[in-house]
Amino acid sequence: GEDVEQSLFLSVREGDSSVINCTYTDSSSTYLYWYKQEPGAGLQLLTYIFSNMDMKQDQRLTVLLNKKDKHLSLRIADTQTGDSAIYFCAETLSGTDKLIFGTGTRLQVFP
Amino acid sequence: DTAVSQTPKYLVTQMGNDKSIKCEQNLGHDTMYWYKQDSKKFLKIMFSYNNKELIINETVPNRFSPKSPDKAHLNLHINSLELGDSAVYFCASSLLAKNIQYFGAGTRLSVL
Repeated sequence: GEDVEQSLFLSVREGDSSVINCTYTDSSSTYLYWYKQEPGAGLQLLTYIFSNMDMKQDQRLTVLLNKKDKHLSLRIADTQTGDSAIYFCAETLSGTDKLIFGTGTRLQVFP
Repeated sequence: DTAVSQTPKYLVTQMGNDKSIKCEQNLGHDTMYWYKQDSKKFLKIMFSYNNKELIINETVPNRFSPKSPDKAHLNLHINSLELGDSAVYFCASSLLAKNIQYFGAGTRLSVL
């Protein structure tokens, strides 16, 4: 099927790390992506990982990819209140440029 | 210098009307897309165009008609609007070879 699964909510204290998890469906996906959507705003591409990589780090963001389990995670170090948003993972269906989005995880950061 | 821009940002209209949403990108990309985000935040692709040619057409009512006058523009025309069309519509663009998609800010459509 085309269901990309994410947990719906995550609540963390400011300064802690956040880990947002995603289970995708297509083992042939070339790229996997993380997008951020702040309230009332568009989708901002945060980062992406090529399928032949296990890990990608970009400042406070670390992406881990486990191809065997089709599991993708996004770790945000030193989470700030400005990180409060909905985070979407997405995969590309092989042979297409169609992005299949996860259900989104609403991250709430409290002081 | 906005990369992917959509107009209008908000659109409120009556059932049965016809409306258009415009999208322009200045990234030099060759592929553009329309996505729909429903009230539960679920995002689904509707259409994609590569070099003005339709390449993805999901199961979307034929009241929705995309038009691509050139590679930098992809407009969405909706006929006979229905209550269920209320959603946020996002335009995106990419280079087909790489498929890193960049999104516009969205158009919030409310059908009354």
